[in-house]
Amino acid sequence: GAVVSQHPSWVICKSGTSVKIECRSLDFQATTMFWYRQFPKQSLMLMATSNEGSKATYEQGVEKDKFLINHASLTLSTLTVTSAHPEDSSFYICSARATGEAGELFFGEGSRLTVL
Amino acid sequence: GQNIDQPTEMTATEGAIVQINCTYQTSGFNGLFWYQQHAGEAPTFLSYNVLDGLEEKGRFSSFLSRSKGYSYLLLKELQMKDSASYLCAAMDSNYQLIWGAGTKLIIKP
Repeated sequence: GAVVSQHPSWVICKSGTSVKIECRSLDFQATTMFWYRQFPKQSLMLMATSNEGSKATYEQGVEKDKFLINHASLTLSTLTVTSAHPEDSSFYICSARATGEAGELFFGEGSRLTVL
Repeated sequence: GQNIDQPTEMTATEGAIVQINCTYQTSGFNGLFWYQQHAGEAPTFLSYNVLDGLEEKGRFSSFLSRSKGYSYLLLKELQMKDSASYLCAAMDSNYQLIWGAGTKLIIKP
C-alpha cells in the first residue's frame, strides 16, 4: 500500500520555541493532506486540511497563526507549531489521500511533541 | 449536526468473536471507515464500506446499513495483538471524515 512518512517521530522542545513536523507521501501524489492532533485516550481531532498550492483550511478553534501549514508540493506538507507551550504537547498525525481518490486515507507514523 | 457513536470500551476473550458497533449521522455520505490504533501509534486502515452489506477480509469483517446509519466491525479468532482502539469514521458529502471517539478493545487470555 501507499506510504506516508512523518518526521520527527519524537520531539522535545522548550516553551516558546517553534517545531516543524514534516509529512511526505513517498510513492504517490497527494493533493490533499490532513493534520490531526490526538490527546491521550481521545480520538483524532482534525486540525486542518492542507491543499497543495493553496492555503490550508483550519477547523474551528484551531489558531492558524500558531499552527502554520505549508503544502508546497504534491508530496510534502509541513506543520509548524510556533511559540510552543506545554498545552501543545500532543500526538500530531498527518494523513494523505492520493490525487483523484476519494477513499482510503494513508496515515503517517505520528509525531509526539513534548513541550517543557 | 454530524455525529458518530461507538462504545467506549469492550472486553473479549482470546479466540472468541467480538462485534464493535458504530452509528453515524452525517451531512451526505461517502463511505464508512474502520481503523485500528495501538497505543502511541498512528491508525492503520482496516476497511471501507460504501455499499450495504458485509465485506470480509480475513479475520476482520465490516458491515454497513446506509438506511439505518449503522456499521459494525466483526473480529474473529481474537488474538492478544488485537488489543487496540478501533476507530469508526464516516465520510460526509464534502469528503471530510467525521471520527468516532474510538472503542478500546481489551483481550483477555
